[in-house]
Amino acid sequence: GNSVTQMEGPVTLSEEAFLTINCTYTATGYPSLFWYVQYPGEGLQLLLKATKADDKGSNKGFEATYRKETTSFHLEKGSVQVSDSAVYFCALGGSNYQLIWGAGTKLIIKP
Amino acid sequence: DTAVSQTPKYLVTQMGNDKSIKCEQNLGHDTMYWYKQDSKKFLKIMFSYNNKELIINETVPNRFSPKSPDKAHLNLHINSLELGDSAVYFCASSQVGTGDSYEQYFGPGTRLTVT
Repeated sequence: GNSVTQMEGPVTLSEEAFLTINCTYTATGYPSLFWYVQYPGEGLQLLLKATKADDKGSNKGFEATYRKETTSFHLEKGSVQVSDSAVYFCALGGSNYQLIWGAGTKLIIKP
Repeated sequence: DTAVSQTPKYLVTQMGNDKSIKCEQNLGHDTMYWYKQDSKKFLKIMFSYNNKELIINETVPNRFSPKSPDKAHLNLHINSLELGDSAVYFCASSQVGTGDSYEQYFGPGTRLTVT
C-alpha cells in the first residue's frame, strides 16, 4: 500500500543554517505530494504541494521537488529562522481524498 | 472569522466517562475529518464524512462515534473513556473534487486528558 517515510527528528539547527528534511514515498501511480507544518499549539496547515513529477512546490522560502526516479519529496530551506521551529509532515494523496501521512519531523531552530 | 473551530480546547475527564467534541467549519467545504495525534505527534485518521455520509472509518474502537448533523458540523462522541484515549484530536475539512481536494484545513485541536 501507499506509505510515506520521513527522517526522524528532532532536527536541531542554528539560525540561518540550511535545512533539509527527507521524505520518501511508496505509491502506485503518481500521487500528489504535500508538506504540512504544525506550529506549537496549533493545527496543521498546508505549506506546499506538487501534483506531478518534476513539479517544485514553494512557499515561505521552503521548496520541495517531486522526484519520481528517487520517489522523494525532500523539504529544503536556504536559511532557517527561529520562527520555523515546528513539526513538518510529508503526505501523499490517497484514495477517497485521504492523505497518507509521514510520522512528522520536529524542527528546532536555535538563535 | 475562524475557518475550522473546535470545542472544547481542553478536556480533562476521568476514566469511564462519556464526552463529546464539537467541530464546525465555515469554509463551505463538503468533507470533514477527525484525526487523533498522539504524544509523539503521529497523526491517525479516524473518520471522514463527505456531504454528511461516512466515507472513511478506520479501525477505531466502537466507543468512538462521529455524527454529522449537516455539512458544516462533525462531532465526535466518546463513550467509556480510557487512559489510552488521551491525545489531541483534530478536526479538518476540505472541498473534494477540485484541484485542491487534498488541501485540508485543520482546527486548533482538542487536548483530551483521561485520568
